[in-house]
Amino acid sequence: DTAVSQTPKYLVTQMGNDKSIKCEQNLGHDTMYWYKQDSKKFLKIMFSYNNKELIINETVPNRFSPKSPDKAHLNLHINSLELGDSAVYFCASSRRGGTRSYEQYFGPGTRLTVT
Amino acid sequence: AQSVTQLGSHVSVSEGALVLLRCNYSSSVPPYLFWYVQYPNQGLQLLLKYTSAATLVKGINGFEAEFKKSETSFHLTKPSAHMSDAAEYFCAVSDGGGSYIPTFGRGTSLIVHP
Repeated sequence: DTAVSQTPKYLVTQMGNDKSIKCEQNLGHDTMYWYKQDSKKFLKIMFSYNNKELIINETVPNRFSPKSPDKAHLNLHINSLELGDSAVYFCASSRRGGTRSYEQYFGPGTRLTVT
Repeated sequence: AQSVTQLGSHVSVSEGALVLLRCNYSSSVPPYLFWYVQYPNQGLQLLLKYTSAATLVKGINGFEAEFKKSETSFHLTKPSAHMSDAAEYFCAVSDGGGSYIPTFGRGTSLIVHP
């Protein structure tokens, strides 16, 4: 059974297009995340969603918007794609213990290429 | 505020040699600490974690890490490297001091030579 799944695995699109990446977890976790990993492997947190609490990294352009229909899903919608958006996007989930989070479970990643 | 520093963006070892990947953290409260591994073209997976129990933590694939509060370190070791250990390794800290979101280090690429 796949714990955290993402679709699609690869996404190639042109500048200016709008695209979405879907994420689902079947671990019963209460917190989900979106990360961006650049070509140097640096992981940057973009969003975190815990129940109805959304935490946004202020450096993320507002072209990026997360949508969480329920606790098991956190989708990422990107408007007006730019060349610099090319990266690997990871979804992750975890349990939250009070003010801290436990270990995260990551999806396989979505490699986005903007041409 | 929490932060993580991984010393060395690349570490190169020979097969059979000791693996030592360094991680130092900064935290205002007792932290939870994690090591993750990322194999090529895959997501991250948990190697091991420290959550205030035993200071020497054993993980998968023969890896272990020791929490040293006095040194604010959580270095990852393995006695004998295998070719299959070649991957990117990330240290992460979660202390809840500001946000529950964990902070990741920049990663260390482990290269294993035959």
